[in-house]
Amino acid sequence: DAKTTQPTSMDCAEGRAANLPCNHSTISGNEYVYWYRQIHSQGPQYIIHGLKNNETNEMASLIITEDRKSSTLILPHATLRDTAVYYCIVRSMYSGGGADGLTFGKGTHLIIQP
Amino acid sequence: DGGITQSPKYLFRKEGQNVTLSCEQNLNHDAMYWYRQDPGQGLRLIYYSQIVNDFQKGDIAEGYSVSREKKESFPLTVTSAQKNPTAFYLCASSISRDQKETQYFGPGTRLLVL
Repeated sequence: DAKTTQPTSMDCAEGRAANLPCNHSTISGNEYVYWYRQIHSQGPQYIIHGLKNNETNEMASLIITEDRKSSTLILPHATLRDTAVYYCIVRSMYSGGGADGLTFGKGTHLIIQP
Repeated sequence: DGGITQSPKYLFRKEGQNVTLSCEQNLNHDAMYWYRQDPGQGLRLIYYSQIVNDFQKGDIAEGYSVSREKKESFPLTVTSAQKNPTAFYLCASSISRDQKETQYFGPGTRLLVL
């Protein structure tokens, strides 16, 4: 799976949109971009994923650049409960040899300020 | 409610003792996974199972064992051979082993060595 690069931490004011960037310059054509978040001492929570088109669900929007080398997760109206570590993961759509687990890096610690 | 449950939330282990962490899911998912998370780090895959009575080693399987006798259950045993077992353990499941399938996580078990 391709490697991802995310900022270590970000701040955002409550009620504003939080935009979390992710670079994945070595992504290949059959790899999805996934986003999870982990609130302190809890299990990771799935947020959204996409291949090449922008995606939106009840939690967030995912904007993937045309060349697919980077993406942005958007939380449209951040609340204090959105404070968490956000992980950007690139994952092949095909099952291959070896482990099928998700590769989590260190993610971005998003802090929502009141 | 459908979901993944892990128990206990906290577990204490004495030196040389084996302990078993429980993971149950009622999502009718075929694939299940065990991850380990150390403080400030991402997740690392221990074992995964694609189907009942089958499981595969992940990246850090040494000192751990699993079983998959039922679709709903995937217990993890931390053996005395695991020299540094203190960590946060997370169980996940997905509909199938296909890479594109989303993994959903349980709340985690924190293991502490006395």
